[in-house]
Amino acid sequence: GAGVSQTPSNKVTEKGKYVELRCDPISGHTALYWYRQSLGQGPEFLIYFQGTGAADDSGLPNDRFFAVRPEGSVSTLKIQRTERGDSAVYLCASSLTGGNTEAFFGQGTRLTVV
Amino acid sequence: LAKTTQPISMDSYEGQEVNITCSHNNIATNDYITWYQQFPSQGPRFIIQGYKTKVTNEVASLFIPADRKSSTLSLPRVSLSDTAVYYCLVESSNDYKLSFGAGTTVTVRA
Repeated sequence: GAGVSQTPSNKVTEKGKYVELRCDPISGHTALYWYRQSLGQGPEFLIYFQGTGAADDSGLPNDRFFAVRPEGSVSTLKIQRTERGDSAVYLCASSLTGGNTEAFFGQGTRLTVV
Repeated sequence: LAKTTQPISMDSYEGQEVNITCSHNNIATNDYITWYQQFPSQGPRFIIQGYKTKVTNEVASLFIPADRKSSTLSLPRVSLSDTAVYYCLVESSNDYKLSFGAGTTVTVRA
C-alpha cells in the first residue's frame, strides 16, 4: 500500500492478557516510530527504530512494553500483562530517513483493556 | 517545560480564514516549525514546515516573524472538512521524535 498500515484497527482485550500490534511502514522508509495517544491529548513518543535497531526506546512506559523490527520493515509492538491504563490509540509512523524528514502516520490501533 | 503554546480551541465558519498562533519563546537557532493536522480516528498528517518568513503550499500558509518566537498557521477559506486538531511542533534538524502538545481543536460550522 501507499501509506502506513496498522492492524488491527481495534483491539479489545482482557486485563492481564498479551497483545501484539502490527505496523507496516511505507516501503523504503528506514525510520519507524510508535506513539501512544490518549483521549484529548497529543501523541506521546514511545520508541524509534532506525533500520532494525531500536535507536531510542526511552518513551516505553515500563518493561511490559516491547517492540521489534527484525527485518527493518514491519514492526510489532508487544504489551504483556495489559492493564486498563494501557487503553489508548497506538500510532505508528515512518519517515524516509528519520531526523527532520516528514513523518507519515498510520490510522492507529485503538486498544481497549477491559 | 513545553516547547510550544497554542490555544486549546477555535471556532470558525465556512469560507472564513482561520489563523492559529503558536508561541515558542525558547526556539533555538537550528529549530524548525512544523504543523500537523489530525482528523478524528486518523493519525496526524504533516501540513507545513518553515524556518523563517513565509511558507505557502496548497493547504496552508505559515508566517514566522523575524524573532521566530511565534508562528501563525493560516488556513484560507475553511470548509467543514477542515475541522480537526492542529499541532504546532518545534524540532531541530537532528530530532527524530516529534513532541506533540494538546494541539488546537478547530471547529468549522456551516
